[in-house]
Amino acid sequence: NAGVTQTPKFQVLKTGQSMTLQCAQDMNHNSMYWYRQDPGMGLRLIYYSASEGTTDKGEVPNGYNVSRLNKREFSLRLESAAPSQTSVYFCASSEARRVLSQETQYFGPGTRLLVL
Amino acid sequence: AQSVTQLGSHVSVSEGALVLLRCNYSSSVPPYLFWYVQYPNQGLQLLLKYTSAATLVKGINGFEAEFKKSETSFHLTKPSAHMSDAAEYFCAVAGGTSYGKLTFGQGTILTVHP
Repeated sequence: NAGVTQTPKFQVLKTGQSMTLQCAQDMNHNSMYWYRQDPGMGLRLIYYSASEGTTDKGEVPNGYNVSRLNKREFSLRLESAAPSQTSVYFCASSEARRVLSQETQYFGPGTRLLVL
Repeated sequence: AQSVTQLGSHVSVSEGALVLLRCNYSSSVPPYLFWYVQYPNQGLQLLLKYTSAATLVKGINGFEAEFKKSETSFHLTKPSAHMSDAAEYFCAVAGGTSYGKLTFGQGTILTVHP
């Protein structure tokens, strides 16, 4: 079991470029999440998906889009990158089909993104 | 709305000393509380969680936390620090209309000195 995997591990973009961050899980989990981590701010939820075919906005969705491609994969797209999107991005998953408060979320290793 | 405050962005202890990382939460409904640990250049790993079964929760690596409703606190402790405990620790809360969406504190970096 690889758990939650993310690609790439590190990326440098120029302002205005686009890119897609990939996330996959092999735990047969139903719910998946994208967070960004910034110094002194903890992790903030960007988007989540409670089941295949559904997505919902989190706390900081502006400038991002997501796709729940299938049960395993949940991608995050930056259409026109900005320096404010420089961050570490984490994908996570949890078992329940509904997003339940007591569920443990399992995190990937992260993608470090630098936007110049 | 829910929120989490971690008191102290950096905590430094000597090896063998008590570890105490503070977390206070705000929630209008009974909360579910979590502590996650992040080692350098890695993702977050669950240490322990409170789901209303017992107020004293034991986790991995000798850590435990006590839920105190009257103080709205969920502090993380370990009796004796080990060098391998050096990491960043995050407290998080979920519950109510936020469902499973976690709200994280800003994190506390734990340094362990020999």
